[in-house]
Amino acid sequence: GQQLNQSPQSMFIQEGEDVSMNCTSSSIFNTWLWYKQDPGEGPVLLIALYKAGELTSNGRLTAQFGITRKDSFLNISASIPSDVGIYFCAGQDNIQGAQKLVFGQGTRLTINP
Amino acid sequence: NAGVTQTPKFRILKIGQSMTLQCTQDMNHNYMYWYRQDPGMGLKLIYYSVGAGITDKGEVPNGYNVSRSTTEDFPLRLELAAPSQTSVYFCASSQALIQGRDQPQHFGDGTRLSIL
Repeated sequence: GQQLNQSPQSMFIQEGEDVSMNCTSSSIFNTWLWYKQDPGEGPVLLIALYKAGELTSNGRLTAQFGITRKDSFLNISASIPSDVGIYFCAGQDNIQGAQKLVFGQGTRLTINP
Repeated sequence: NAGVTQTPKFRILKIGQSMTLQCTQDMNHNYMYWYRQDPGMGLKLIYYSVGAGITDKGEVPNGYNVSRSTTEDFPLRLELAAPSQTSVYFCASSQALIQGRDQPQHFGDGTRLSIL
C-alpha cells in the first residue's frame, strides 16, 4: 500500500529557532497537505499544495511540493511556544470525488522556552 | 458553527461488547470519513462516504461497519470489540471540488476508545 515516511520523528528546539521537517512517498499524489495536531484534538490543516514544485507560505510556515510529487518539506521560522504539537504530512488522491488521505507517522515538536 | 462533532469523547468497552461512535457535521458536506489513530502513528482510513446512502471501505475496515442515512450523520459501529481496536477515532468531512481543487477535510476532536 501507499506509505509516507516523515522525518524526523521528534524535534527538541529552543524558542526562536527555525524548524524543518520533510516527508517522502513511494507514490505520486495529486495534493499534499500539512496538518498540526494538538493534544486531545483532531488535525488542523496548515498548508495545502496542489502543483508540483509549488512553494506556499502561511505566516511563519512555508511548505513546498516536490517536483516529482513524491515529497514535501515544511519549515517553521522563529518558533514560538504555541508551535508545540505533532505535525503530519498527508498525500491526497481523489476517489469518486472523495479525498482519500494517506498520513505520515508525524513529527513531534517540543520547544524549550 | 460547530463543524464536525463526535460523541462520546471517551469510552471503555469490554471485549465482545458493541458500540456506535457518533459523528455529525453541520457544514452540508457530501463527503465524510472515519479514521483511527494508534499511538505514535498517523491516521488510517477506515471507511468513507461520498453521500447519503453510499459508503466504501478504506485501508483498515475489518471489524467496523458504517451507515449514511443522512448528509449530516456518519456513525461507526463496532460489533464485537477487540483489544486491537483500542485507538483514537476521528471523523472528518469535506466538500466537493471547488474550481477543480480538492477541498481539505475538517476533523472532529476524536473519540478515545479503550477495550479491555
